Order: sequence, then C-alpha cells, then structure tokens
Amino acid sequence: EAEVAQSPRYKITEKSQAVAFWCDPISGHATLYWYRQILGQGPELLVQFQDESVVDDSQLPKDRFSAERLKGVDSTLKIQPAELGDSAMYLCASSLALDSPNSPLHFGNGTRLTVT
Amino acid sequence: GIQVEQSPPDLILQEGANSTLRCNFSDSVNNLQWFHQNPWGQLINLFYIPSGTKQNGRLSATTVATERYSLLYISSSQTTDSGVYFCAVERDSGGSNYKLTFGKGTLLTVNP
Repeated sequence: EAEVAQSPRYKITEKSQAVAFWCDPISGHATLYWYRQILGQGPELLVQFQDESVVDDSQLPKDRFSAERLKGVDSTLKIQPAELGDSAMYLCASSLALDSPNSPLHFGNGTRLTVT
Repeated sequence: GIQVEQSPPDLILQEGANSTLRCNFSDSVNNLQWFHQNPWGQLINLFYIPSGTKQNGRLSATTVATERYSLLYISSSQTTDSGVYFCAVERDSGGSNYKLTFGKGTLLTVNP
C-alpha cells in the first residue's frame, strides 16, 4: 500500500539552530499538509498545499517557519531558529485533491523533534 | 473556529470488551474522519464519515450530522486496538478547503 514518506524519523537540535523536515506524499495526491502535534493533543494544521501553491498557512509562524513544495510533489518544512517550544511531532499528510469527494487523509510516520 | 470534543478522554478495557467513543462538534460539517494513533505515533485513517454509518471489521462508525455528533464503536477489543483515537472535522462553509480540526482524542488501553 502506498505511503507518505517522511524523514528524518527523529531529530535533536539545539535552540537557535536550523532544522528541516522532508515529506514525499502518496503518488498522485495533489494536496499536502504539514501538521504539528504536541504531546497529549491532536494535530494542528501548519500549512496546506494544493500542487505547488499554498492554500492555507494562517497557523504557520512565519517569522521562523517556512514551507515549500516547488514542483508540486515533495515538500520541505524548515525552522530557523529553533526554539524550545518547537519540540513536537511534525506530521505530513496527503489527500487526492481539495475537490475530491470521499478523499481520506493519509499521514506519514512523522518526525519527532526535540530542541535542547 | 469549530470546536471538537471527544469523550471519554481515557478508557481502559479488558480484551474482548466492546466500547463506544463519542465526538461532538459545534457547527455543521462537510467532512469528518476518525483516526487511530498507535503507540509509535503512526496515524491511521479509520473512516471518512461526514454522515451515515460505515463498518470495517470490528469497527463501525455513525455520524448524525443534524445533531452534531459521531460515534466510533469497537467490538471484541484486542490489545492492538490500544492507542489514541482522534475525530477530525471540517466546518461546512459552503465550499471545501479540506481544513480539518482535530479533537484532543480518546486514549484507549486494552489489557490482556
């Protein structure tokens, strides 16, 4: 079964350093999402792409976070500089397209970030 | 934004028992999905169910959109059912941008 690929699986970084996460969605999925999940809570949407365009980045802390999906396939989420409060699980997800009915959301395994 | 409340927050079962998890939401929705997050953090999609009833093996789900709630039923629970169950919804705003809001989840522990 096709999967959403994410790397790295774990990342430990010192505060003020830069960190990047990579995601490759399921082939053919036009919509890609980055979520952040703090321990004990549900995932919260950071940014949403349709192909290479940003659909929603209203919850992305743009002073330190950036996301891109240049060719409309894989995507990178960057944090610079990292802060202690950024420690969380970063989840990538994909779905067929915004206007596809009955289109479930599929998640990758996530990247667990620890900022020291 | 839309509010999503899940109950109970925690549930402990003996293997073989049945359970019902509830998701209440504060507004009309056009998208509702149930997910299971296993102890290793992987989120698995269980159901896409904005209305009606679906069944998949020992799991079934019912959404009563007019009353703004959804139920997830787990029958004959197994230890592998342990984990956190999330409900996620998108408010019906006349269109769809597939922006899901997650509840805080129900932590299920199934003991052997």
